[in-house]
Amino acid sequence: DAGVTQSPTHLIKTRGQQVTLRCSPKSGHDTVSWYQQALGQGPQFIFQYYEEEERQRGNFPDRFSGHQFPNYSSELNVNALLLGDSALYLCASSKWTSTDTQYFGPGTRLTVL
Amino acid sequence: GDSVTQMEGPVTLSEEAFLTINCTYTATGYPSLFWYVQYPGEGLQLLLKATKADDKGSNKGFEATYRKETTSFHLEKGSVQVSDSAVYFCALRGSSYKLIFGSGTRLLVRP
Repeated sequence: DAGVTQSPTHLIKTRGQQVTLRCSPKSGHDTVSWYQQALGQGPQFIFQYYEEEERQRGNFPDRFSGHQFPNYSSELNVNALLLGDSALYLCASSKWTSTDTQYFGPGTRLTVL
Repeated sequence: GDSVTQMEGPVTLSEEAFLTINCTYTATGYPSLFWYVQYPGEGLQLLLKATKADDKGSNKGFEATYRKETTSFHLEKGSVQVSDSAVYFCALRGSSYKLIFGSGTRLLVRP
């Protein structure tokens, strides 16, 4: 049983560019949450998707957007990249009925130059 | 708003030593509390959780008790191993579905 998978593993972009990160949830899970983890810090909640809708959003600007597909996989898009967007982006999946237990993927390391 | 505060690291111990990592929280209502572990180059793994006051979460020799009176959820292990070296995050889930994390505590266990 595959766990949460994310792609790509690493990504290097320049300021002003746009990036798309992808996440496939654990089998049987229907809810995906995205977190940003800056170096040496704890993860910060970006947003959560269920039934292809954004259900909750953290304190992140509109440059951060997302999407969930009918197969429950999800994308995180970041526009107009800033140096400060460099971080590890983590995807977590869960069941909507049991969001206490969230399973995290290995993350995508984004470097903005 | 809700928040989590955990002790700063790094915490350096010899193998078989006793471990305590302190965690306190601020939240309205009755949050669920968690400890996650992050090994180098990996994502987060749920270590243990507790969903109500006085609950004790345990896993792989680690324990933590939900103390509402002191708003704490300290992580303990009686005898650490080199393989326990990692970063440990305390987290809570309040009335919303998002997890709120502390800043992490790095543990280094020496042989």
